[in-house]
Amino acid sequence: ETGVTQTPRHLVMGMTNKKSLKCEQHLGHNAMYWYKQSAKKPLELMFVYSLEERVENNSVPSRFSPECPNSSHLFLHLHTLQPEDSALYLCASSLRSQFNEKLFFGSGTQLSVL
Amino acid sequence: QQQVKQSPQSLIVQKGGISIINCAYENTAFDYFPWYQQFPGKGPALLIAIRPDVSEKKEGRFTISFNKSAKQFSLHIMDSQPGDSATYFCAATLGTDGLTFGKGTHLIIQP
Repeated sequence: ETGVTQTPRHLVMGMTNKKSLKCEQHLGHNAMYWYKQSAKKPLELMFVYSLEERVENNSVPSRFSPECPNSSHLFLHLHTLQPEDSALYLCASSLRSQFNEKLFFGSGTQLSVL
Repeated sequence: QQQVKQSPQSLIVQKGGISIINCAYENTAFDYFPWYQQFPGKGPALLIAIRPDVSEKKEGRFTISFNKSAKQFSLHIMDSQPGDSATYFCAATLGTDGLTFGKGTHLIIQP
């Protein structure tokens, strides 16, 4: 295990639902990331938190709302998603001294939007 | 637009052979070039990385070759094993900006 745990592993939701993805890291890291992985496309950075402050929002639609209550936990709140949002959502963490370099990824949440 | 172009999309290599995956980048300001390995059902894991001040880095059977003038870098897997079968992603970053990933190479090592 990488020390980064994501729940749930799989999620099916309707377009009108509200759900949340959870990420927890046990590595003592102080930077956390959300990435989106779609088939045939590069991993896309969505959000970055450093010391619990959001430092990057990569032009992500407002139907995705991140939350970082402390350096060990990261959430991605979802509402009124579209079918094209179906993808694997990956959480990652790193030390701030290795910002955007040595990332440790969780196993992801496979999201299907119906 | 910052891009990292990766090839081939898929690769089949016989056990014991050399697997080679190539990447090209556009932004000459990139200063860190990692390779990530991803097995089915798992997230990517950092495999090996290089900075542009060296032309080669080797860790066990894995080697990165870096050509700064051509803006290219490649991953070589020597003595490829079935356990190396995975998807490999190259990436690049400025450090302050997020990683820019390639689209990935699906590698199959045939026994």
